[in-house]
Amino acid sequence: RKEVEQDPGPFNVPEGATVAFNCTYSNSASQSFFWYRQDCRKEPKLLMSVYSSGNEDGRFTAQLNRASQYISLLIRDSKLSDSATYLCVERGQAGTALIFGKGTTLSVSS
Amino acid sequence: NAGVMQNPRHLVRRRGQEARLRCSPMKGHSHVYWYRQLPEEGLKFMVYLQKENIIDESGMPKERFSAEFPKEGPSILRIQQVVRGDSAAYFCASSPLADDRSGEKLFFGSGTQLSVL
Repeated sequence: RKEVEQDPGPFNVPEGATVAFNCTYSNSASQSFFWYRQDCRKEPKLLMSVYSSGNEDGRFTAQLNRASQYISLLIRDSKLSDSATYLCVERGQAGTALIFGKGTTLSVSS
Repeated sequence: NAGVMQNPRHLVRRRGQEARLRCSPMKGHSHVYWYRQLPEEGLKFMVYLQKENIIDESGMPKERFSAEFPKEGPSILRIQQVVRGDSAAYFCASSPLADDRSGEKLFFGSGTQLSVL
C-alpha cells in the first residue's frame, strides 16, 4: 500500500490567518477521501469528507481534484483551538481500510 | 451508546512477554480495524476483521502478531515476544458498514499505548 503524501509541517500561523494543506494520492481507484484531526496523539476524529464538488463546513473547506490526484483543506480565520495534526485519508475500493497520511501539524498562536 | 472501548489504556511489557490489546466495538458494529502509530509516524493499517473473519491482514507483521474478532466478546490484537520496536499507540476503529463513503460511521477508540521495556 502506498501512503498518501502530505505537506511537510509544521505550519505556524497567527490567529485569524488562512492556512491551506495539500495532499496527494497515488491510487486512481480510490473512492473516498477524508480529513481527520488528531490532538496530542489521541484518537483521530473525522473532520470532514471530501467530495469532487467541494465541501464547506464553517471555516473549513475541502476540495478534491481527481485529475491531479490531490485533495486540499483550507482553514479560514484560524483559532487557537485549531492547533492539531491534520490527517489526509483515502480509501480505495469498498470494504477496504482507510489509508492515512503522516499528518501535518498546525500550530496557531495568539 | 458507549463508544469504541479499548483496554488497557496503557500497557507496559518487558521484552519477550506477550501483549494483548482489547477492542470492544460500538454496539451494532461488526467491522473492526486495527491501526498502529509509531512515535512521530502516521497511522498504519494493520488488519480488518468482521465477526469471526479476517478480511484483510495485509498490514500485519508476518511474525508474532495475530488478531481475532470472535462471535462473542471483544476483538483482540495479540503480540507475542514483544520487542522495543513494538512500542506504539494501537488504535481500533469500528463501523457498522463495509462501505461508508461518508466516513461518518467509522469511530475510533482512545487507543492503547504499549511500552516495551
